[in-house]
Amino acid sequence: DARVTQTPRHKVTEMGQEVTMRCQPILGHNTVFWYRQTMMQGLELLAYFRNRAPLDDSGMPKDRFSAEMPDATLATLKIQPSEPRDSAVYFCASGFLYGFGANVLTFGAGSRLTVL
Amino acid sequence: KQEVTQIPAALSVPEGENLVLNCSFTDSAIYNLQWFRQDPGKGLTSLLLIQSSQREQTSGRLNASLDKSSGRSTLYIAASQPGDSATYLCAVGGGSQGNLIFGKGTKLSVKP
Repeated sequence: DARVTQTPRHKVTEMGQEVTMRCQPILGHNTVFWYRQTMMQGLELLAYFRNRAPLDDSGMPKDRFSAEMPDATLATLKIQPSEPRDSAVYFCASGFLYGFGANVLTFGAGSRLTVL
Repeated sequence: KQEVTQIPAALSVPEGENLVLNCSFTDSAIYNLQWFRQDPGKGLTSLLLIQSSQREQTSGRLNASLDKSSGRSTLYIAASQPGDSATYLCAVGGGSQGNLIFGKGTKLSVKP
């Protein structure tokens, strides 16, 4: 089965450190999403790409978060500097966008980030 | 701004019961609605996708309905099994780019 691969699965770091999370989307998919999941907020959309172009990153704190797709096989989400409130599970999802917004997403297993 | 609400937040039922999970959304101008399942410590698995022009979708013991005008969807699970225990999330597709707005989920526990 094709799958979305995320690394690292778990990351513990100290406040102020840089964190980079990586995602390998499914080959052939044309959309990539980054979500953050916390108990309080649930799943929040951070950023998404279509054909590698960033479409919307309004969900991200711009001063510390950045998302890129350097090529079709890699999406990255970077936090610099990290803060304890960034502790969450970060999910990457990829899909193929059909007409009228139909987009069945496949989610990765997530990267659990703990910032001390 | 679209808001998605799922009630109840948690549900516990004995094995074999039929059950209904509810999802409501504030803006009826949606492209589609999806139901996902999330197991502890895992990612999300797509269960059913309903296009805005459709009223329901079925997959095995699962049936999802959509009433756009009232801003509601239900997920019906027939003959529940312990293996159905998971968190079920409803997500609304509100943009042409396929982005999804999620509810906070209903945590289902099916007791043997």
